[in-house]
Amino acid sequence: SQELEQSPQSLIVQEGKNLTINCTSSKTLYGLYWYKQKYGEGLIFLMMLQKGGEEKSHEKITAKLDEKKQQSSLHITASQPSHAGIYLCGADPSGTYKYIFGTGTRLKVLA
Amino acid sequence: GAVVSQHPSRVICKSGTSVKIECRSLDFQATTMFWYRQFPKKSLMLMATSNEGSKATYEQGVEKDKFLINHASLTLSTLTVTSAHPEDSSFYICSAYGQHYSNQPQHFGDGTRLSIL
Repeated sequence: SQELEQSPQSLIVQEGKNLTINCTSSKTLYGLYWYKQKYGEGLIFLMMLQKGGEEKSHEKITAKLDEKKQQSSLHITASQPSHAGIYLCGADPSGTYKYIFGTGTRLKVLA
Repeated sequence: GAVVSQHPSRVICKSGTSVKIECRSLDFQATTMFWYRQFPKKSLMLMATSNEGSKATYEQGVEKDKFLINHASLTLSTLTVTSAHPEDSSFYICSAYGQHYSNQPQHFGDGTRLSIL
């Protein structure tokens, strides 16, 4: 079965710093989703990547999917306290919308 | 705005009680909905797939008699935690597949925090 491993598990950065979160899959990805979650709340959709080498940006967040489609990175530029939360990568291994999720990365941004 | 509504957002009840959680798709019909469970500081784990008009399919290790799923209409799926015990305390999230949303095919509810005393 396919597994998603995220790194780092947790991250504390000073406001204004850049940071990167990685998501590595044990198998080729046919679609990779990034979500943000505040503790005890639902998921906020950030981006979907499907093609090898694809890169998408939204405000200060950029996500990339590597050419081999086994690794994705999420980069936040000039982080703000509002970026704090849990970042989850997700995938749909069987194409049936049964998502699997990565282990999660907890981000704290210090003001 | 939200396209999937989950209710209640929080519930606290005594051990032995059965608790029902509702998941509604607001803007679209969802023949398939999913139920996830999240343990503290852990990722989401798929529990079951809810199919409109037919039985739910459960992931390995999930007790179907403990977690009853009903998908009686194209916009509503319910998860009932029967005879809940403290170990059932968790965060439960539903999602619904909307085929017309190509950029974001799955929409998630805001989750339900279940606490069993």
